[in-house]
Order: sequence, then structure tokens, then C-alpha cells
Amino acid sequence: DQQVKQNSPSLSVQEGRISILNCDYTNSMFDYFLWYKKYPAEGPTFLISISSIKDKNEDGRFTVFLNKSAKHLSLHIVPSQPGDSAVYFCAASEGRNTGTASKLTFGTGTRLQVTL
Amino acid sequence: DTAVSQTPKYLVTQMGNDKSIKCEQNLGHDTMYWYKQDSKKFLKIMFSYNNKELIINETVPNRFSPKSPDKAHLNLHINSLELGDSAVYFCASSQVGGNSPLHFGNGTRLTVT
Repeated sequence: DQQVKQNSPSLSVQEGRISILNCDYTNSMFDYFLWYKKYPAEGPTFLISISSIKDKNEDGRFTVFLNKSAKHLSLHIVPSQPGDSAVYFCAASEGRNTGTASKLTFGTGTRLQVTL
Repeated sequence: DTAVSQTPKYLVTQMGNDKSIKCEQNLGHDTMYWYKQDSKKFLKIMFSYNNKELIINETVPNRFSPKSPDKAHLNLHINSLELGDSAVYFCASSQVGGNSPLHFGNGTRLTVT
């Protein structure tokens, strides 16, 4: 039962253009969403997050949009750079229900390739 | 300075053996985790400890036993290894609270032959 889905296993974007990575979820109890970036042979690195009380959060070139009614979130990277080439994981948690721990449910990732 | 470090990076062993993976964090976090990434790339939580106390146990076989000697360390011991245990195991830590981002180690790739 996949509660967090990233339906595009890969995405290729030209340098300077916008990259849009999508994520869908099914659990209506999720109230906190995160994006992680992962390079080969490294662990996932936290990128940006959004609480369910917001619909947008921005940090430099990275913006996350949340559409609660559609149970959909997206990560926009603009402008895309070659160093952004990595696997991007969407994750979600029931933040208010997990007490002292952050129990994240991850999607399977989207591999972004930024070409010159 | 590595924030979350785990050793070894690679571990190749035969079925039936017992092995351990060590994890240490220097971020001052109270909560630590073990996640497993299987061949289908699913990253799933296995355990979480808060200040040496087990708080999340996701129906992992009891061949897997986490041990937290102090809040900066969370080791994973696996008994009687099986082929299906082959995966990448990630240690992570976070501040207390359900909305705290996790900081991951670089993973241990376990191969059981």
C-alpha cells in the first residue's frame, strides 16, 4: 500500500529551465511534507518542507506547492542547474500524531537529469 | 565533520551469519532512526529511538535488534541473516517532534549471499 507516490521515475530538463517534480499521497492524516535530494552512494539530504496549513513554501531556487484537496504536492526548481541532477524523494508524516519521532513515509523517487 | 556516520559502508556476508551496523550522530539530536531501502527503492522506517528509548518499531522481524547505548549512538544488530535482508540501511537523526526533518547517514549496503 503506497501512501506516497511519485509516478515519474525520471525527468530530464535543460539547464536554466524549470524542473517540476510531482508527488501524490493518499493518507489524509498527513500534515507535513518534505522533499529530499539524494546523490549516488550518499544518504538523502533534506531540501525543503511544507506544513499542511500552507500551500506554498519557497527557499531560493526551490519552491514546494501543496494542494490538499487534490492530495498533491510539487517541487519547482528554477533555474535548474547541472548540480541539481539527483534523485528527489517526496516524504510525508502525520506530524501531530507521532510525538517525539518524525515517522516519514517516502515515495520511490524521481531521478532528475539537468542537461547542458 | 560528518553529522551522521554509519559503518561499514559495504557489508557482504553469507546467509545465517550475524552482523552489526554502527551509527553515530554529532548533531545533538535526541531521536535516531533506522530506515531500509529495498531493491524497489522504497525507503521504509524500521525503528526509532528517543534518548535511548524505543518509540517506533515497524513490525520488523525480531532477528533485527537495535541498541542505543546513548542518545548519540544507535546500532543495528541482525541475527541469522537471510537473502531478503539484502538492502541499503540508512541511519538518521532528528530533533524531537513529528515535524523535524531527518538527517541521514550515507547508508550501509548489505549483501547476503
